[in-house]
Amino acid sequence: QLQLQVSGPGMVKPSETLSLTCIVSGDSISSSNYYWGWIRQPPGKGLEWIGSVFYSGSTYYNPSFKSRVTISVDTSKNQFSLKLTSVTAADTAVYYCARPQGGRGRMGAYDYWGQGTLVTVSS
Amino acid sequence: QSALTQPASVSGSPGQSITISCTGTSSDIGYYDYVSWFQQHPGKAPKLMIYDVTNRPSGVSDRFSGSKSGNTASLTISGLQAEDEADYYCSSYTTSNSPVVFGGGTKLTVL
Repeated sequence: QLQLQVSGPGMVKPSETLSLTCIVSGDSISSSNYYWGWIRQPPGKGLEWIGSVFYSGSTYYNPSFKSRVTISVDTSKNQFSLKLTSVTAADTAVYYCARPQGGRGRMGAYDYWGQGTLVTVSS
Repeated sequence: QSALTQPASVSGSPGQSITISCTGTSSDIGYYDYVSWFQQHPGKAPKLMIYDVTNRPSGVSDRFSGSKSGNTASLTISGLQAEDEADYYCSSYTTSNSPVVFGGGTKLTVL
């Protein structure tokens, strides 16, 4: 059974970098045809797509994050990561990692989700 | 990148049917048959209910169905049950430089 687990600090200071990792078990990132994704949800608000990464390292990002976001993959550890720089209070959210159905067109059809982790940006 | 447009809330009585709309543009819903719907209960991760406009993942009740006309996709829930009360989100693949877009979400209340 595929499982995704988000790990990383629950609090980040303003202007610093938010770093999260999604540890995948039950499937091999390097042998699959999926665009592994990061999605966030500010408290009381809707879902916001952050970006996706293919096992090859190819990435797609939400331009709303401009140059602040980097998503990378480590196939040797079967995990992928999110880095968001220069965070502000507006980046406070529950961050989810997820795996979609499959194929580029289904990039947003996430059928497996991590548990989500609340990251609070505060000094 | 503009979010897809959903009504903020809908409501219905047990046993009734409701429909939630998701309006996009000719660059997303109107262009691709890659619309998904998610159900989210408070404090839980979203759950995929519909993908590719009309397909249900294994284990999802057939009371949930999806459709699309032009730039608008719809999720219909028939035979409303108390446990259907949740937030619902649509998503679509897009032609823009940001390939995934979500709707703003709809809160379903079962009266």
